[in-house]
Amino acid sequence: QVQLVESGGGLVKPGGSLRLSCAASGFTFSDYYMSWIRQAPGKGLEWVSYISSSGSTIYYADSVKGRFTISRDNAKNSLYLQMNSLRAEDTAVYYCARVIPHIYDILTGTDYWGQGTLVTVSS
Amino acid sequence: QSALTQPASVSGSPGQSITISCTGTSSDVGGYNYVSWYQQHPGKAPKLMIYDVSNRPSGVSNRFSGSKSGNTASLTISGLQAEDEADYYCSSYTSSSTLEFGGGTKLTVL
Repeated sequence: QVQLVESGGGLVKPGGSLRLSCAASGFTFSDYYMSWIRQAPGKGLEWVSYISSSGSTIYYADSVKGRFTISRDNAKNSLYLQMNSLRAEDTAVYYCARVIPHIYDILTGTDYWGQGTLVTVSS
Repeated sequence: QSALTQPASVSGSPGQSITISCTGTSSDVGGYNYVSWYQQHPGKAPKLMIYDVSNRPSGVSNRFSGSKSGNTASLTISGLQAEDEADYYCSSYTSSSTLEFGGGTKLTVL
């Protein structure tokens, strides 16, 4: 069965950095686009970034562009999110999610989600 | 402010049907048939319920259905059950090749 397990969350000071990881299993990781989606405490979902199966195509939300970097290691079945220059408004649960396969390789939605990892940005 | 507009809350009694709307623009909901709906119970990860406007993933009850008219998509839950009480989010592909979510709707089963 598909499993996505996030790790790397924690408490960080404003301006600091954190690297999130997502370990995938139960499917051929290298065949799928992957995405990060976050949810601030008590708030709704916010798409953050996605990456193509090969890593050659990447998109970011405007709110994180220039500060966050998504990457993947298909040999390790892992997805990453490097977060720099963190702000209080980045405080959220970060979910790793598998993108629904589409013939045009576009981000139409996500079919499996991990349980999330909490990132808290506070002094 | 979310790009897609959903009602903050809806409610219904067991056995009834409810509909949750998701309104966008011609650059997202109205321009593509790529609307998805997610169910989220408290403290849990979201679960995909509908994709590509009206398709149900394997294992999702046929009490859940989706549709779209113009810039507004809708999720209908028929035969409401207690376990349907949750938050529901819509999402849409956009002309910028990104994904937008609605603000979420809290469903209360009376």
